[in-house]
Order: sequence, then structure tokens, then C-alpha cells
Amino acid sequence: DVKVTQSSRYLVKRTGEKVFLECVQDMDHENMFWYRQDPGLGLRLIYFSYDVKMKEKGDIPEGYSVSREKKERFSLILESASTNQTSMYLCASRQGAKWNIQYFGAGTRLSVL
Amino acid sequence: GIQVEQSPPDLILQEGANSTLRCNFSDSVNNLQWFHQNPWGQLINLFYIPSGTKQNGRLSATTVATERYSLLYISSSQTTDSGVYFCAVVRNQAGTALIFGKGTTLSVSS
Repeated sequence: DVKVTQSSRYLVKRTGEKVFLECVQDMDHENMFWYRQDPGLGLRLIYFSYDVKMKEKGDIPEGYSVSREKKERFSLILESASTNQTSMYLCASRQGAKWNIQYFGAGTRLSVL
Repeated sequence: GIQVEQSPPDLILQEGANSTLRCNFSDSVNNLQWFHQNPWGQLINLFYIPSGTKQNGRLSATTVATERYSLLYISSSQTTDSGVYFCAVVRNQAGTALIFGKGTTLSVSS
């Protein structure tokens, strides 16, 4: 089975802190994704990466950056956390072509106080 | 961009009832997945179904790609079926990531 592991299930941070959310997949997938989920808005794409050191903006990239130095790891960075970034963050990975199955991690619930 | 609309937004059932969840999408797609989100937030893959019909136990799904909709059927519902069901698609012509509908929240009571 594909395993997508997010480093934290719950995280509490202060406004202005730099926050790292880590995601690791164990199936050598080329594509990795970060989404956030908010009540009434569903899941929205923040960033995705199709290869090491490659990234593309999704629908809501403002306030976020990403890093992919190794194929198995995709990090989401909040440079200066704000309260409106309190949300559920979900990481996903997929083998190559877009018609393949996308697999999700368990999610990280981030609270910014 | 592509629009993904799910209906109904909320559904309340008694245990043992059957239900049909619908997903309409506004453009041609070559990837469609149904997910169940459990109470802890984990998205569980139910079906990968860009076209055709699949069955897995009490669940089945049908996608009619030419008419741009997909249906998820739940038969003999159980309390453990409760949660949010999402449909997600990737556009055929452009786009890379799954785009999600807003989900159907299902509550099954005993």
C-alpha cells in the first residue's frame, strides 16, 4: 500500500512564527501536492510539485512556500503564520500521469493563535 | 477552471437505507476519484472511476463521462458510513491536480 506520512497530526503555533509542515511518501511518486481544507470551502490546492526542485502554484498560494529537495519529501512553509492560516492541511502524492490515483496523508490540523 | 458540484450537501439516513450521491463536472476529465473522509480527517480512496461502473461491497459507482456526472451508491447503510464524501476530478485538457467538490455530509443513525 502507498503510504503518505505527515509529520504532525496537530500543531499549535503563534502568529508570526515560521511553520514547517512535512510530508513523506514511500512509493517513489513524481507528483506531490498540498491542500488546505476549510468548512464550507472543501479542499483547495496550495502548491504542487512534479519533480525534485520543481513546483507550481495552485489556487491559493499566497502566504505559503514549498520545498522539494528530495523526491520523497515535500514541505509546506508558512513564512509568518497568521490566524487565517488556521486550517486542516492535507498532503498527497501520485505516480506520474494525471490519470493515476492520488493518495492522501492523514492531515495536519494547524491552529495559529 | 472546472466546476465540481456535489449533491445533496447533507444527507440523513436510518441504518439499512440506500442512498445515491451525485457529482456533476463542467469539463471533460480523465481522472475521477471518490473519497470518504473519516471523523479523524483521513481521506480514504473509495473508487478511481473516470468512466464505467465499479462495485466494492455495499458501495458502487458509475461515471458517465460523456454526460459529465458520476454517482456513488451506498446500499444498506451502516453508522460507520457516516462522514463526508468527496468527488474529485482532473481536467482532460489542462490541469494536474485533483479538483474537489464541496462534499456530501452523510449521517447514518441506528
